[in-house]
Amino acid sequence: DGGITQSPKYLFRKEGQNVTLSCEQNLNHDAMYWYRQDPGQGLRLIYYSQIVNDFQKGDIAEGYSVSREKKESFPLTVTSAQKNPTAFYLCASSIDWDRLNTEAFFGQGTRLTVV
Amino acid sequence: KQEVTQIPAALSVPEGENLVLNCSFTDSAIYNLQWFRQDPGKGLTSLLLIQSSQREQTSGRLNASLDKSSGRSTLYIAASQPGDSATYLCAVRRRYDYKLSFGAGTTVTVRA
Repeated sequence: DGGITQSPKYLFRKEGQNVTLSCEQNLNHDAMYWYRQDPGQGLRLIYYSQIVNDFQKGDIAEGYSVSREKKESFPLTVTSAQKNPTAFYLCASSIDWDRLNTEAFFGQGTRLTVV
Repeated sequence: KQEVTQIPAALSVPEGENLVLNCSFTDSAIYNLQWFRQDPGKGLTSLLLIQSSQREQTSGRLNASLDKSSGRSTLYIAASQPGDSATYLCAVRRRYDYKLSFGAGTTVTVRA
């Protein structure tokens, strides 16, 4: 059954800790994305990767880091430099980056809370 | 900068009524527009994708139209059901950098 798997579903972070959110896809998609969702706001792009071993900063990359060592995996690390990390994090993928019919598919999200 | 607006932010209708959801965007240079559904605490489910060269797309009870020149898209849901209760988001893929810009969504409640 093809799809995008995010884990964990809920994550709690103490002040000063780094945490890593997992995103795995078995859709054979080249492009992967991380978004942040806050109440009442549209999704905001954190990082994206057009192809394995390559990634670029999105609109709100400060305090986050990523890697893309395998095509199917795109983990996101929320570092202690991110001052307001409490949010719902969504991972997405698309078969490629720049076609007219490029369609984005999303995982089920990880809710991160600072305690 | 591309800005995407969805009005109203919330909508409540009785079961059986047709739903009309609006999405407007400021820059007509788009590659495509995608409508999503989001249930509380869940991820986004893709409903329809309209390419910039298309005027509309249909899937079952859902129909989405696109008017690039006026910067508008409308999602129609026929004969609404309580199971249609969710938040609906639209997103446009920008032509100049291929990134998606999202609206904040319209939360729909269908009353039985």
